[in-house]
Amino acid sequence: EVQLVESGGGLVQPGGSLRLSCAASGFTFSTYWMHWVRQAPGKGLVWVSRIKSDDSSTSYADSVKGRFTISRDNAKNTLYLQMNSLRAEDTAVYYCGRGDTRSIGYWGQGTLVTVSS
Amino acid sequence: EIVLTQSPGTLSLSPGERATLSCRASQSVSSSSLAWYQQKPGQAPRLLIYGASSRATGIPDRFSGSGSGTDFTLTISRLEPEDFAVYYCQQYGSSPELTFGGGTKVEIK
Repeated sequence: EVQLVESGGGLVQPGGSLRLSCAASGFTFSTYWMHWVRQAPGKGLVWVSRIKSDDSSTSYADSVKGRFTISRDNAKNTLYLQMNSLRAEDTAVYYCGRGDTRSIGYWGQGTLVTVSS
Repeated sequence: EIVLTQSPGTLSLSPGERATLSCRASQSVSSSSLAWYQQKPGQAPRLLIYGASSRATGIPDRFSGSGSGTDFTLTISRLEPEDFAVYYCQQYGSSPELTFGGGTKVEIK
C-alpha cells in the first residue's frame, strides 16, 4: 500500500524557516517524481514544487522561488521542503504527492504550516 | 500560464442525479495532461481521472471524464452520498508545472 506521511509543520514567525518531511513507503520511491502542493485555509490547491526521481531537476512556483528548496533522500525514502523567509501568505496545509502520468496519483494527509507573529 | 476556470462554483443536486462539471482552459491543453480530483472536508485530494478520460485505480465507473482542447468535463452519472465533495481539475504544463482550477463544490440539494 502506498503511504506518504508528512511532518514538520507548525507555527513559525514571519521571516522564519521550517523544513517539511514526507516519508514514503509501499512503492519504489527512487523511481518517481515527487511534488509539494499547498492549500490555504478554505482555499483551493496550489502547486509548489517538483523534483525528478534521481534529483537531477527541480521546479518551483514563482511565489516560492528563491525561498523554498525541494530535495529528496532516496536511501531514506524521504522528500523534503526547506522553507525560508516565510510569509503570512505561506500559511497552508502542505501535501506531498507522487507524480503519476502528469498528475498526482497519491497524496499524503498534509501538514499545517502557520506563519504568524 | 494556462488558467483553468471551473464552473459552476457550486452544484446543488440530489442523490441519484447526474452531475456535470466543467473545466475550461485559457489555452489549448493536451488531453494527456488533464486530470480531475475529489476532495472531502479534512481529507487530502484523491485522483479520479487522468489523461482527460482514464479512471484512476479503484475509481467507480459512475465517474467519467471527457473533452479536448480547452473544454473538459467530469460527469458523475448517478450521485452517491459519498460523492458530495469539492472537485478540482488540473493540467500539467511547463511553468508552473501543475495548475489547478478553482474547484466545484457538489452539495446536497
